[in-house]
Amino acid sequence: SYVLTQPPSVSVAPGQTARITCGGYNIGTKSVHWYQQKPGQAPVLVVYDDRDRPSGIPERFSGSNSGNTATLTISRVEGGDEADYFCQVWDRIRDHPFGGGTKLTVL
Amino acid sequence: EVQLVQSGAEVKKPGDSLKISCKVSKFNFLNFWIGWVRQMPGKGLEWMGIIYPGDSETTYSPSFQGQVTISADKSITTAYLQWSSLKASDTAIYYCARGTIAVAGGYYFDYWGQGTLVTVSS
Repeated sequence: SYVLTQPPSVSVAPGQTARITCGGYNIGTKSVHWYQQKPGQAPVLVVYDDRDRPSGIPERFSGSNSGNTATLTISRVEGGDEADYFCQVWDRIRDHPFGGGTKLTVL
Repeated sequence: EVQLVQSGAEVKKPGDSLKISCKVSKFNFLNFWIGWVRQMPGKGLEWMGIIYPGDSETTYSPSFQGQVTISADKSITTAYLQWSSLKASDTAIYYCARGTIAVAGGYYFDYWGQGTLVTVSS
């Protein structure tokens, strides 16, 4: 099955930029979606189709996807952005794997 | 606002059967997909499967094929996830979510239920 690789953790100071990567073979040919999950809460979609944002998601959240790596970028990080972030794609065998998740810590 | 409201927490014994539900409102149940996602304690998200209530077309992740059954009742705009014989390893939070078709194929989940905690213990 298709494997998505995320770093277990990313740390960033408030006001700085956080970049969370999602690696997969030829992931640039797939649509990548990103979810934010805070402790005790259901996931929330923050980016879909590589770079689109649902209504209500701040412009500080952006996405890119090329080659073997997709990236979620969070600009001007705030304390409220501290959460787990998961990437997700659709694979040709009709599976929809999630990455293992990245814990974003705001220092 | 779009809503997916899931049934309450369950405590079951190994070997028990179980059916949990996901009641949706404020969108056309027949025009979207409803998926299920598992989250084991302290772990990540796992895509289980998805159903199109309009015609009951269902797709399962290979990892969950044969382990669970996904269904839907159009008359009450509710989707279900069921087990015929639970195992301790089924202990997890289960989320339902609305699936929207992605540009390059497949689906993303744009609205989620609050989750149902299933505990299986003897």
